[in-house]
Amino acid sequence: DAKTTQPNSMESNEEEPVHLPCNHSTISGTDYIHWYRQLPSQGPEYVIHGLTSNVNNRMASLAIAEDRKSSTLILHRATLRDAAVYYCILRPRGSGGYQKVTFGTGTKLQVIP
Amino acid sequence: GAVVSQHPSWVICKSGTSVKIECRSLDFQATTMFWYRQFPKQSLMLMATSNEGSKATYEQGVEKDKFLINHASLTLSTLTVTSAHPEDSSFYICSVPSRYEQYFGPGTRLTVT
Repeated sequence: DAKTTQPNSMESNEEEPVHLPCNHSTISGTDYIHWYRQLPSQGPEYVIHGLTSNVNNRMASLAIAEDRKSSTLILHRATLRDAAVYYCILRPRGSGGYQKVTFGTGTKLQVIP
Repeated sequence: GAVVSQHPSWVICKSGTSVKIECRSLDFQATTMFWYRQFPKQSLMLMATSNEGSKATYEQGVEKDKFLINHASLTLSTLTVTSAHPEDSSFYICSVPSRYEQYFGPGTRLTVT
C-alpha cells in the first residue's frame, strides 16, 4: 500500500484558515487522495477527495501538487467543531472502488477559541 | 450518502465470553464491508474484509478463529469476538465502501473486564 505522512498535530485559532499537509511520494497513477476526519469516539467521516485537480466542497478544499506527491487539505475558517483527527489516505481506483484502505497516523487538529 | 449503523454502540463483557457486533448498511447493498479496530490514541487498523456469501479475508496477525465474521446478507455483517480478553478491549468500526468513498459506522466500544 502506498503510504502517507502527516504531522502528528497542528493548532489553529478559531475562524482562521488551516492548511493540513500530507506527503504521499509513492502514490501510483490510479490512486485517489482521500481525506477523512474523526471526532472523538466516532467513526471517521468523509471530507473530500481528488485525483489530480484541486477540489472544493462545502466542507473544505483540497490542493494537490502537480506531481501528486503531496496534497493539502484547507479548512477556510476553522471552528471548534473542526477539532478532530484528519486522515489523508490513498484509495486505489479499480475493482469498483472496493479495495481495502489503510490509515496512517493522521493529524490531530486543535482549534483554539 | 449511505448510512452505516452499528449495534451495540458500547458493550461490557466478562473475560472468556463472546460478543457479537452488528454492522448494517442502511441505504444500499454492500457485497463488501471492512472491519477496523482502534486502540486509544491510535489510528484505525484494518482487521478484515467481509465478503457477502463467502469467507472473510483477514489481515496479517488477526486471528480468524477469534474474530469471526459473518456477512450473511447484502446489508448485514457481524463480527464476533470469541473468548474475549481484556486486551481485546477496543473501538471496533465497520465501513461500507462505495465507488467514490467509504462510509463508516459510528463504532462499538468493547470493554472486557
